[in-house]
Amino acid sequence: QLQLRESGPGLVKVSETLSLTCIVSGGSISSDNFFWGWIRQAPGKGLEYIASIYYRGTTHYNPSLKSRVTISADKSKNQFSLRLKSVTAADTAVFYCARIYGRWEPYYFDSWGQGTLVTVPS
Amino acid sequence: EIVLTQSPGTLSLSPGERATLSCRASQSVSSNYVAWYQQKPGQAPGLLVYGAFIRATGVPDRFSGSGSGTDFTLTIDRLEPEDFAVYYCQQYGSPLTFGGGTKVEIK
Repeated sequence: QLQLRESGPGLVKVSETLSLTCIVSGGSISSDNFFWGWIRQAPGKGLEYIASIYYRGTTHYNPSLKSRVTISADKSKNQFSLRLKSVTAADTAVFYCARIYGRWEPYYFDSWGQGTLVTVPS
Repeated sequence: EIVLTQSPGTLSLSPGERATLSCRASQSVSSNYVAWYQQKPGQAPGLLVYGAFIRATGVPDRFSGSGSGTDFTLTIDRLEPEDFAVYYCQQYGSPLTFGGGTKVEIK
């Protein structure tokens, strides 16, 4: 059974870089037809797509965050990571990692991690 | 970017009633690339429907998706207690976007 687990600090200072890793078990990130990505949800708000990556290296970014975000994958460790630089209090959110069905483009999110809360104190 | 507007914001219904949730896109969604998710408090969202009307594995048949172009609907027949949650639509053009959500609450 596929499992995704987010890992990273729960507190990041303003102007610093948020770094999270998603550890995947029960499946390979090198599978065809799946992207791997990140979504966030600010407290009491809706879902916001951040970025996704295909194991062959293709990446997709939300244009509103693209200038601050980097997504990468480590096939040897079966995990992928997110870096969000120059954070502000507005970046406080629960961050989810997820598997995304799609080959040429990311489509829909069919498996999710439990989420991890990252707080940026103002 | 395609903007998705969900309505109503909150739907107050009783168990056994039918829920009709709307998701309207700012422009036509190609190939009906729309998915629906359910999120309960403190949990990650879960996939319900993709391709506008295809139920995900294990999703009860009281959940059904419909629509095309710019107007999509999620219908929940005979609400069960576990169905009271927040529902999000998502389109998978580029970039991916989500609607703002509809909360289905117990009346």
